[in-house]
Amino acid sequence: DAGVIQSPRHEVTEMGQEVTLRCKPISGHDYLFWYRQTMMRGLELLIYFNNNVPIDDSGMPEDRFSAKMPNASFSTLKIQPSEPRDSAVYFCASSFRSGFTDTQYFGPGTRLTVL
Amino acid sequence: AQSVSQHNHHVILSEAASLELGCNYSYGGTVNLFWYVQYPGQHLQLLLKYFSGDPLVKGIKGFEAEFIKSKFSFNLRKPSVQWSDTAEYFCAVNYWDGQNFVFGPGTRLSVLP
Repeated sequence: DAGVIQSPRHEVTEMGQEVTLRCKPISGHDYLFWYRQTMMRGLELLIYFNNNVPIDDSGMPEDRFSAKMPNASFSTLKIQPSEPRDSAVYFCASSFRSGFTDTQYFGPGTRLTVL
Repeated sequence: AQSVSQHNHHVILSEAASLELGCNYSYGGTVNLFWYVQYPGQHLQLLLKYFSGDPLVKGIKGFEAEFIKSKFSFNLRKPSVQWSDTAEYFCAVNYWDGQNFVFGPGTRLSVLP
């Protein structure tokens, strides 16, 4: 398997623009997680899905952030409008049946810079 | 609030030195404990995990960790580090109450050849 795939790897945008980050989990994995990593706050769980259904989005910082998982092989994280403080590395991870107790496989991350 | 702390921000060691990275978590009932590692230019990957049973857990690449419930700690150890162990190490906790997964801030390990 190719592992968790994220695109783009780098994104530079201007404040106020819409940003969409994409993730393809490992085939057969039931759980998908979105994390954000910043120097100030470290790695934070934003939202996670089980069988394409959002289970907990309490980590999503603001209404400007939204995530969807239309099918088992694709998820998006959207920021609209983007702000400079959204600059971070965004990771997607997937795991098999047991969610948090299972090993999470991480993607390479998307480094977002908002000017 | 559920939180995870790691004792050191940056550790510098010479090859063959012994390593211990500290991790403490806030009380939150039943937990599962993990150490993840991120080598330069690579993805985050699992090093080892503890669910139950023997509190001394062995992972990949000669790493081990000890769960001490009374101290809410899960320290990572390796008897003799190599240059290839240079990486960032993250302690993480799955809190069953609230079904939350919390990462520590990470410890950067630099091993000098």
